[in-house]
Amino acid sequence: EIVLTQSPGTLSLSPGERATLSCRASQSVISNYLAWYREKPGQSPRLLIYDVSRRATGIPDRFSGSGSGTDFSLTISRLEPEDFAVYYCQQYGSSPWTFGQGTKVEIK
Amino acid sequence: EVQLVESGGGLVQPGGSLRLSCAVSGVSVSRTYMSWVRQAPGTGLEWISLFYSGSTIYADSVKGRFTISRDNSKNTVYLQMNSLTVEDTALYYCVRNPRDGDSWGWFDPWGQGTLVTVSS
Repeated sequence: EIVLTQSPGTLSLSPGERATLSCRASQSVISNYLAWYREKPGQSPRLLIYDVSRRATGIPDRFSGSGSGTDFSLTISRLEPEDFAVYYCQQYGSSPWTFGQGTKVEIK
Repeated sequence: EVQLVESGGGLVQPGGSLRLSCAVSGVSVSRTYMSWVRQAPGTGLEWISLFYSGSTIYADSVKGRFTISRDNSKNTVYLQMNSLTVEDTALYYCVRNPRDGDSWGWFDPWGQGTLVTVSS
């Protein structure tokens, strides 16, 4: 099973600032099959990025994903109020599909 | 627009059974891949089951106890959960696995979730 470790656990930033979230895999993610989700308080997770860097339908371009192999990142270029939430990465290259433990982006 | 609505959660005693339903609209369940993902209180997300092309896959944590199925006529996906333990207490999400060419495995959209509590 591939273990995904996200860092930092909590990121304290102000609106308008840039956020960079990390996701490290215990082994190489096949075909770079990696996705990112945002979970707002009281809501279900929502897909942001799939295949490392492809934005999901309706996701603004302030969200971007990058990386390969075992190291991946999600960048939010300018934080909007709705971006203060928990973010999860997920790999789907190997069964069982697994998630990271999450990074919370909070208002500083 | 694809929408997923789960139901069937509730309180059940250890060793008991429960069947979750996921009513799907906007796409035919016979032509798409569907999964269940759960989130235990205060913890992260765990994929537990997939139905695709007539086949099923399960996480080790539920294998042999849970069964995923679908009813094409009702456009509904089910999760039959048997031999429940307190560790199965979680919010259960129905999720779709869309495809983009040969790539698939991410989850979009997610239902609102249905809460399962296993307690005596």
